[in-house]
Amino acid sequence: AQSVTQPDIHITVSEGASLELRCNYSYGATPYLFWYVQSPGQGLQLLLKYFSGDTLVQGIKGFEAEFKRSQSSFNLRKPSVHWSDAAEYFCAVGAGSGGYQKVTFGTGTKLQVIP
Amino acid sequence: DVKVTQSSRYLVKRTGEKVFLECVQDMDHENMFWYRQDPGLGLRLIYFSYDVKMKEKGDIPEGYSVSREKKERFSLILESASTNQTSMYLCASSPSTISEQFFGPGTRLTVL
Repeated sequence: AQSVTQPDIHITVSEGASLELRCNYSYGATPYLFWYVQSPGQGLQLLLKYFSGDTLVQGIKGFEAEFKRSQSSFNLRKPSVHWSDAAEYFCAVGAGSGGYQKVTFGTGTKLQVIP
Repeated sequence: DVKVTQSSRYLVKRTGEKVFLECVQDMDHENMFWYRQDPGLGLRLIYFSYDVKMKEKGDIPEGYSVSREKKERFSLILESASTNQTSMYLCASSPSTISEQFFGPGTRLTVL
């Protein structure tokens, strides 16, 4: 069974600073990888996804993520954070063979942006 | 745009009550999901459905049941609510087994 770890529960960055949120997964083959964002009081919204091909994936709102097989990682990055990026971010991994391919979510990283 | 709606944003129930949480999607998606979200635990899958009248247990199905009589509607049922079921409940849908999921705004359920 697959698993996903987000080692940082809470991160604080200054507005305009760069951001990197960490995500590590465990799965024997190449998984499907996702990053979602949840603004306060809202459901989750997809930022980006990796299925195959180019390991650097561009998403919405200026985010990108890089799949590194050797490190079993899929870290989310943004070069300059805006106050509106304050939210909770979830990494997810989808894996399985045949039938339904299960998606497992990480425990989330809450991002605080200070002026 | 895909829209997933949930019947209530906030719900307060008493221990032992039967609780229905309704979810409707408008994009003809095959798959629908129910998660609960708790601080520090992320999202945990309760049940999912890949077709009308079909359901599969997720990771934490105990104390819950589901119903999918129509493709667009997926209901979560708490037969006898307990205080440990106080949580945020999120519904989602997706067009295929491995693709992005579209989430509703969530229902915050409090069981007293």
